[in-house]
Amino acid sequence: DVKVTQSSRYLVKRTGEKVFLECVQDMDHENMFWYRQDPGLGLRLIYFSYDVKMKEKGDIPEGYSVSREKKERFSLILESASTNQTSMYLCASSLVRPGNTIYFGEGSWLTVV
Amino acid sequence: TQLLEQSPQFLSIQEGENLTVYCNSSSVFSSLQWYRQEPGEGPVLLVTVVTGGEVKKLKRLTFQFGDARKDSSLHITAAQPGDTGLYLCAGPWGGGSQGNLIFGKGTKLSVKP
Repeated sequence: DVKVTQSSRYLVKRTGEKVFLECVQDMDHENMFWYRQDPGLGLRLIYFSYDVKMKEKGDIPEGYSVSREKKERFSLILESASTNQTSMYLCASSLVRPGNTIYFGEGSWLTVV
Repeated sequence: TQLLEQSPQFLSIQEGENLTVYCNSSSVFSSLQWYRQEPGEGPVLLVTVVTGGEVKKLKRLTFQFGDARKDSSLHITAAQPGDTGLYLCAGPWGGGSQGNLIFGKGTKLSVKP
C-alpha cells in the first residue's frame, strides 16, 4: 500500500525558530512536493523536487527551503518561522508522468506563536 | 488569477439529496483529476478523466470531462454523511511534463443526516 509519512502531525513553534518538516515515501517516486493549505486559498505549491538534490520553486517559496538528499525523503525548512506561516503543510509524491496520481501525507499542522 | 475555478465554494445538504459541483477553466487540460479530502487528512484521488466528453462512475459519484477539456463536473446521487469533505479538482501544471498539478480551491460539502 502506498504510504507518504509526515513526521509530525502537530507542532507549535516560536517566532524566529528554525523548523524542519520531514516527509518520507515508500513508493520509489521521483517527484515529491510540499504544499500549504489555508482556508479560502486552497492548496498552494511551495517547492517540488523531481530527483535527488533537484528542486524547483512553486508558487510561494519565500521563507522556505527544501532538501532532498535521498529519493525517499523530502524536507521542508522554515529558516525563521513567522506567524504568517501558521498553516497545514501537506507533503506528496508521484511518478514523473503527466496526469499521474499524487499521493498525499496526512498533513502537519504548524502553529507559530 | 485562479486557473481552476470550483463552484460552489460551500454546499450544505440533507442526506439523500443530489448535488453537482463544478470545475471550470479558460485553459485546455490534457486531463483532470478529482480528489476528496476528509477533515484532518490529506487529499485522496477519486478519479482521473482524460478524454473530452468522458463520463466515469464511481458508485454514486459521476464525473464528466467537458468536450473541450476545459471543465469537469462531479455529480453525487443520494448523498450520505460519509460524502462530507472537501472536493478538489486538479490538472497538469507547468507544462505537466514532470507530473505537477495545479489545484482548484475546492468545494466544501457537508451532508447532514
